[in-house]
Amino acid sequence: AQTVTQSQPEMSVQEAETVTLSCTYDTSESNYYLFWYKQPPSRQMILVIRQEAYKQQNATENRFSVNFQKAAKSFSLKISDSQLGDTAMYFCAFITGTASKLTFGTGTRLQVTL
Amino acid sequence: NAGVMQNPRHLVRRRGQEARLRCSPMKGHSHVYWYRQLPEEGLKFMVYLQKENIIDESGMPKERFSAEFPKEGPSILRIQQVVRGDSAAYFCASSPAQGFGGELFFGEGSRLTVL
Repeated sequence: AQTVTQSQPEMSVQEAETVTLSCTYDTSESNYYLFWYKQPPSRQMILVIRQEAYKQQNATENRFSVNFQKAAKSFSLKISDSQLGDTAMYFCAFITGTASKLTFGTGTRLQVTL
Repeated sequence: NAGVMQNPRHLVRRRGQEARLRCSPMKGHSHVYWYRQLPEEGLKFMVYLQKENIIDESGMPKERFSAEFPKEGPSILRIQQVVRGDSAAYFCASSPAQGFGGELFFGEGSRLTVL
């Protein structure tokens, strides 16, 4: 079975600080993609960042970067210079080459405070 | 270029009634996915459709739930004889090709409340 585990139900960070959200996954396949989605209070699902498993280089999108450890099946998200607008639920997800669906974790609720 | 459009945004039904949720994919997208999000949980896959075909319905409950994506018009998720446990947010996503490797574009969701 393919699973995604987010062990931090809630996290808090002060504005301008850095925070790291953790995610581990389990799959027997070698070819897959990993994602972090953001769900603000509006409930829209917004793609934050994507990582191809065959790429060793960690993906980066502005203030968002990942630490992808393939052997450990770990895929953490680092948010630098946190902003109030980063307050949201963050979901880790992945999809394999043979599957047609994203598997999501249970999410981490991030609160950015002044 | 309009995004994925879902309607209604909010739907209230009494137990035993039917709920119909609609999803119009982004222009040029022929693949549609439905996900359900229960309160305080992540999204759970329900069904994956292409035009006139159900490709993967492994996440659909065996009874009362059905989905279609006709040649013309939006994709429809239909829930018959709703029960309180069906209360959830239902998200539709679309992609131009099978989702592997590509981004799924999500709609804003339809929130179903069953009284």
